[in-house]
Amino acid sequence: QLQLQESGSGLVKPSQTLSLTCAVVGGSVSNDAYSWTWIRQPPGKGLQWIGYVDHSGSTHYNPSLESRVTTSVDRSKNQFSLNLFSVTAADTAVYYCARDWRSAFDIWGQGTMVTVSS
Amino acid sequence: QSALTQPASVSGSPGQSITISCSGTSSDVGGYNFVSWYQQHPGKAPKLIIYDVSLRPSGVSNRFSGSKSGNTASLTISGLQAEDEADYYCSSYTRTSTRVFGGGTKVTVL
Repeated sequence: QLQLQESGSGLVKPSQTLSLTCAVVGGSVSNDAYSWTWIRQPPGKGLQWIGYVDHSGSTHYNPSLESRVTTSVDRSKNQFSLNLFSVTAADTAVYYCARDWRSAFDIWGQGTMVTVSS
Repeated sequence: QSALTQPASVSGSPGQSITISCSGTSSDVGGYNFVSWYQQHPGKAPKLIIYDVSLRPSGVSNRFSGSKSGNTASLTISGLQAEDEADYYCSSYTRTSTRVFGGGTKVTVL
């Protein structure tokens, strides 16, 4: 069974860049049946879709974050990544990576808490 | 894009059926059969329970069912059990190829 494992800094200073990586274990990030997605959840709040990258590197982002976010795929390491620039306290959240299949998120990582604070 | 609209909370007694609504527009819920539902217990990652409006992934109880009418999708939980107490989120594909979530619904088993 495919698993997703997030990694990255749990503490980011305001105005700096949040960077996370999601390792794909037991499957291939190059499988063209899937896209690879980032989702976040601020403490006590709901889910927010951030964006996805597909096997070819094509991306789509939430319009509210589009000016500050990039996602990419690294086929050599079988992983995908998120960069969120110019962060503020409002970006504090649990960040999940997930597999997007037919616009449904069928496999999720365990989530990683990222706090934006000086 | 605006979040899909869900009721903040729904409650029911064990054995009863409850329904959670998810309202969108013709640019998302109403325009495509790509609505999915997720169950999230506290401190856990969400779990997919319905995809393509009404299909259940392998291993998901048949007490969970989904439907859609116009711009509103619905999740019904039949034979409510204590373990169903959780937060539930809907999601939809959108006209611009993005995805959008609902605000979430807290289900309480009385």
